Amino acid sequence: EPEVTQTPSHQVTQMGQEVILRCVPISNHLYFYWYRQILGQKVEFLVSFYNNEISEKSEIFDDQFSVERPDGSNFTLKIRSTKLEDSAMYFCASSWYTEAFFGQGTRLTVV
Amino acid sequence: AQSVTQPDIHITVSEGASLELRCNYSYGATPYLFWYVQSPGQGLQLLLKYFSGDTLVQGIKGFEAEFKRSQSSFNLRKPSVHWSDAAEYFCAVGGGGGFKTIFGAGTRLFVKA
Repeated sequence: EPEVTQTPSHQVTQMGQEVILRCVPISNHLYFYWYRQILGQKVEFLVSFYNNEISEKSEIFDDQFSVERPDGSNFTLKIRSTKLEDSAMYFCASSWYTEAFFGQGTRLTVV
Repeated sequence: AQSVTQPDIHITVSEGASLELRCNYSYGATPYLFWYVQSPGQGLQLLLKYFSGDTLVQGIKGFEAEFKRSQSSFNLRKPSVHWSDAAEYFCAVGGGGGFKTIFGAGTRLFVKA
């Protein structure tokens, strides 16, 4: 069964550093998403991406965040200058016409 | 506004007892509805989904959910809980066709022997 894959599973970074979280969506999907879950809290929408541009973003998705689909298969989330409060599990998802399929997440720890 | 409410932050049931987790939603159009389960430190596993048709849907691990449009509810049920069901359960709405998925705050299930 096709699945969304995310790498790395866990990343530790120093405050102020840039990080790139990587995702390989399901190959025939058209819509791509990033979500965030701070420890012990609910899953929050960050951004959706379609046809090589952002289609919707939440208020969390400020100028320090960016997304890209660099090569037609990968979908990345970049955090430019990480803060302690960016520590969270980040989920990538992709969809076509029905439900979104979620990856297993990248746990980002900012120290 | 689109939202999902899970009124119970946590629930404790005895192993072998029945379970019902509540979920209410607010959504402008006909919703796609989902239940996910998450073990500590793990990803999201889809238990079941409702798009249309029969309002009682069956999922994995013996779970079922019933869509009630008049009550804007999508409650999750299981007739007999196992200790391995202890986890966090998230109800969600939307998703698909480019629409974002909106999650509830979750209900943590504890199972006692």
